[in-house]
Amino acid sequence: DAGVTQSPTHLIKTRGQHVTLRCSPISGHKSVSWYQQVLGQGPQFIFQYYEKEERGRGNFPDRFSARQFPNYSSELNVNALLLGDSALYLCASSLDWAFTNEQFFGPGTRLTVL
Amino acid sequence: QKEVEQNSGPLSVPEGAIASLNCTYSDRGSQSFFWYRQYSGKSPELIMFIYSNGDKEDGRFTAQLNKASQYVSLLIRDSQPSDSATYLCAASYNNNDMRFGAGTRLTVKP
Repeated sequence: DAGVTQSPTHLIKTRGQHVTLRCSPISGHKSVSWYQQVLGQGPQFIFQYYEKEERGRGNFPDRFSARQFPNYSSELNVNALLLGDSALYLCASSLDWAFTNEQFFGPGTRLTVL
Repeated sequence: QKEVEQNSGPLSVPEGAIASLNCTYSDRGSQSFFWYRQYSGKSPELIMFIYSNGDKEDGRFTAQLNKASQYVSLLIRDSQPSDSATYLCAASYNNNDMRFGAGTRLTVKP
């Protein structure tokens, strides 16, 4: 069975641009969470979506937005990119919204903002 | 502020020894606690989670939770070189927020 997939693997953007990151959860999983991981730090929670509804939001500016589609895949959008947005963006899927269900992480998208 | 704190290490133990990893959290509203392992260049993978005071064992791993002291630990018995990784502690809040510590880098020397 395929794991969580993310695209693209790597991305290079310039300041002020917009980026869209994509995530496909494990088949049967209805919840997707997004995290930002800066080198040397732990992941920071950005959003959780369950059944196409936002269930949780971390402490990130409104430049960050996300949505979940009927097939449970998800997109993370970041507008007006800043140098500080350079990070590994991780998507995690789980069966439902409860964090006590195991979250399975995808390989991540490495975003570099120049 | 909901903070999760870990000693960044590195922590170095000989093969076969017990590795002890520690974590503290600031918000008493934290409900569940998780230990993830992250190999260099890879994604985090769940080792185990705990939500009740006391110990929880899974193979060579034991998680310990003390809510009064706001303290979580992970013990790895019979450490192996393959256990060398960064260990991330995380706490969930109301099942709609998850906070990770910065991680502790563990090296197990053969």
